[in-house]
Amino acid sequence: SAVISQKPSRDICQRGTSLTIQCQVDSQVTMMFWYRQQPGQSLTLIATANQGSEATYESGFVIDKFPISRPNLTFSTLTVSNMSPEDSSIYLCSVTDRVNTEAFFGQGTRLTVV
Amino acid sequence: AQSVSQHNHHVILSEAASLELGCNYSYGGTVNLFWYVQYPGQHLQLLLKYFSGDPLVKGIKGFEAEFIKSKFSFNLRKPSVQWSDTAEYFCAVRILATGKLIFGQGTTLQVKP
Repeated sequence: SAVISQKPSRDICQRGTSLTIQCQVDSQVTMMFWYRQQPGQSLTLIATANQGSEATYESGFVIDKFPISRPNLTFSTLTVSNMSPEDSSIYLCSVTDRVNTEAFFGQGTRLTVV
Repeated sequence: AQSVSQHNHHVILSEAASLELGCNYSYGGTVNLFWYVQYPGQHLQLLLKYFSGDPLVKGIKGFEAEFIKSKFSFNLRKPSVQWSDTAEYFCAVRILATGKLIFGQGTTLQVKP
C-alpha cells in the first residue's frame, strides 16, 4: 500500500490568485494522477503526472490553468491558476504502482474561491 | 473515449430491501474494476475490486459485485441494506494500458429507517 500526504488540506483563496497543492507519497510509484471533485459530483481526471516530462491532460483541462510538476517518483504538485469561484472543488492526488493493484488516494484539498 | 456509466442517479430504499446498482463501461481492452463509497462529509473508501479470476467478488459490509465481460458491466449488489448504507456510490474502471482510473457519475443511495 501507499500512504499519501496531500497539502494543504483546505484553503480559501481570492479569485485571480493561484494555489499550489502538494502530493507526497511514502514510496516510489509508477503512476500519479490528479482528480477534481466538484460539489455533489463525481471524480474527474485532470491529468496524469509524468516524471520528468510534461503532464498528460484530459479533455477540458489545459496546462496554463492546471500546471503540474513531477520531479521524481514520490512527489507531484498541481497548481490551480487564476482561480475563479468555479474552481471551488476538492482536488485529489492518486497513485498506483502497477496493474492489478488498487489505486490510493490522498485525503484531498478542499479549495474555496471567493 | 473511455467512459463509465452508472444507470441510477438516485435510489431510495427501505431498510432490509435488496440493492442493485448498475455500472457499464465502454472500453474493449483489459480493465480493473472498482466500487467506492463516500459517506456524507467523508473521503472515498474502497468497497470492492476485481482484477481477474472469479467474476463474483465480495467486498466489505456485505457488498458484492459481478463482472459480466460480455456486457461490459460490473453491478453492485447487497441483499439487505441498512440505514448506515446511505452514501454516494461510485463505479470506477482502470484502463490497464494507461493506468487511468475513470469514475462513473455516482449513485446517491438513501436508505429509510
